[in-house]
Amino acid sequence: DAKTTQPNSMESNEEEPVHLPCNHSTISGTDYIHWYRQLPSQGPEYVIHGLTSNVNNRMASLAIAEDRKSSTLILHRATLRDAAVYYCILREKGIAGNQFYFGTGTSLTVIP
Amino acid sequence: EPEVTQTPSHQVTQMGQEVILRCVPISNHLYFYWYRQILGQKVEFLVSFYNNEISEKSEIFDDQFSVERPDGSNFTLKIRSTKLEDSAMYFCASSMRGPFYEQYFGPGTRLTVT
Repeated sequence: DAKTTQPNSMESNEEEPVHLPCNHSTISGTDYIHWYRQLPSQGPEYVIHGLTSNVNNRMASLAIAEDRKSSTLILHRATLRDAAVYYCILREKGIAGNQFYFGTGTSLTVIP
Repeated sequence: EPEVTQTPSHQVTQMGQEVILRCVPISNHLYFYWYRQILGQKVEFLVSFYNNEISEKSEIFDDQFSVERPDGSNFTLKIRSTKLEDSAMYFCASSMRGPFYEQYFGPGTRLTVT
């Protein structure tokens, strides 16, 4: 089963960059790496996903290691609104096939 | 911007009662999902639905649960006989393409079973 390991919590100062790491040493060759976040009292929100190359969108950047065993979500300038739990997700083979496994994620605190 | 909506926002029910949680996915999306999150715990996948049938389900999604797309716009989750341990936030999600593309989540329904 493809699982991820993330730090339980991280802190960042407002308007500074944040690098959220994720280890996924058992990733398979076709697994996409997805990042979602969950703001307090809200549903999860898609952030970004990638396969091999680094990816950028309006919310964040995703840096994927060359061996794909780790990745880093980069928030270029943290705002108070970015305080959330960030989940790094791979495909997870469950009893009926493939499904998202959210894990415990990294709780990001942004300090004003 | 289109969004997934869910009703009600909070449902209180007695143990043993049936509940139906409702979701309106984004209109051009083809894949639909239910997840749940027990307070303070992880988001857990329940079921995915495509082309009017279940495509994946987790071990949580037993015979007490069912899903339906009754009218082409709503997507419902029914729990036939609720248990105390069914108390959780239930999130609906939808995606335009398959489950490993971006999923858009609704705000959730908080189910409290007493």
